[in-house]
Amino acid sequence: KQEVTQIPAALSVPEGENLVLNCSFTDSAIYNLQWFRQDPGKGLTSLLLIQSSQREQTSGRLNASLDKSSGRSTLYIAASQPGDSATYLCAVPTQGGSEKLVFGKGMKLTVNP
Amino acid sequence: DTGVSQDPRHKITKRGQNVTFRCDPISEHNRLYWYRQTLGQGPEFLTYFQNEAQLEKSRLLSDRFSAERPKGSFSTLEIQRTEQGDSAMYLCASSPWEVSYGYTFGSGTRLTVV
Repeated sequence: KQEVTQIPAALSVPEGENLVLNCSFTDSAIYNLQWFRQDPGKGLTSLLLIQSSQREQTSGRLNASLDKSSGRSTLYIAASQPGDSATYLCAVPTQGGSEKLVFGKGMKLTVNP
Repeated sequence: DTGVSQDPRHKITKRGQNVTFRCDPISEHNRLYWYRQTLGQGPEFLTYFQNEAQLEKSRLLSDRFSAERPKGSFSTLEIQRTEQGDSAMYLCASSPWEVSYGYTFGSGTRLTVV
């Protein structure tokens, strides 16, 4: 059974810092991994989708890496801004059948001005 | 296409009442998922539709919950005899058949049972 873990659960940093958010998963047989952002009381916004054959994916100040063999992904946020404050979730689809997403509990990021 | 739409955004109901939520997926997506999210937790899978067929249901989906996707388009999630423990964010997501394209989520419906 796939399990996804995100540690730490929360992080508070001053503006301008470069950040690394961690995600680990127990079953390395994944199609892809997706990072989402969730603002309080809102739905999920997709940030980056990284395929199992890829090592990295970039969008603006965000960079996601994937190491299937070790069951890890990292989301790198460069030059953090107060507007980056949100909860960040990673998720992987199960294989076969519904291919439903399995989520971590998320990491709540606060960037202080 | 404006993405996945969910209605209503918020619902407050008294315990014991029935509620129904609607999800309109991206039109060309044949996969549709419902998730439930409680405070401080990641979304948990409830049920999955492939076109109009409901192919998987979680143990979380008690017999008070029912979901439909007539004609493989929009979907509804109904909760009968609501309980305070049903208070949560209900999220809908859709995906093309090829999951390598990723999943798109709606804005969710926040349910509060008082």
